[in-house]
Amino acid sequence: SYVLTQPPSVSVAPGKTARITCGGNNIGSKSVHWYQQKPGQAPVLVIYYDTDRPSGIPERFSGSNSGNTATLTISRVETGDEADYYCQVWDSSSDHRVFGGGTKLTVL
Amino acid sequence: QVQLQESGPGLVKPSETLSLTCTVSGYSISSDYYWGWIRQSPGKGLEWIGRIYHGGSPYYNPSLKSRVTISLDTSKNQFSLKLSSVTAADTAVYYCAREDNQYFFDYWGQGTLVTVSS
Repeated sequence: SYVLTQPPSVSVAPGKTARITCGGNNIGSKSVHWYQQKPGQAPVLVIYYDTDRPSGIPERFSGSNSGNTATLTISRVETGDEADYYCQVWDSSSDHRVFGGGTKLTVL
Repeated sequence: QVQLQESGPGLVKPSETLSLTCTVSGYSISSDYYWGWIRQSPGKGLEWIGRIYHGGSPYYNPSLKSRVTISLDTSKNQFSLKLSSVTAADTAVYYCAREDNQYFFDYWGQGTLVTVSS
């Protein structure tokens, strides 16, 4: 089955740029979606189709996807961005929805 | 505004069947989209359980397939999850979600914690 690999944690200072990676075999050929989950809350979609933002998601959130790595970039990080972030793809070979293990973003 | 709400027992005994219902408001589940279940064990990541589409067959994560049933009740605008022969490993927060036709989850319920314990 398809595997997505995320770093367990990323730390960033307020106002700086955070980059959270999601690795997978030829992930650039798939559409990657990203979710933000704050403690005790349900996940919220922040990026879909690699780069698109749902309405209400700040422009500070952006995504990219190429080769074996997809990246969620959060610019001008705020303390309110502190959360777990998960990447997700659809694996066409198995018709599975696959999630990465999640990355905890800490705002120092 | 699309809203989803899970309901069901918060405690299930080992070997019994976990049953949850997701009530959808603001959208008819018979119109479009997939409707699915995702779970999250305490302190762990997200695991896709399965999905169903009105007029289509359900599809399940192979790791759970032998124990899972997802069904729709369009008259109540609800869909449900049944997971049989549960063990402590099935203790998790269970989320229902709407899945876009392009395989991402755009609306989620708040989640419900189900504990498997005697």
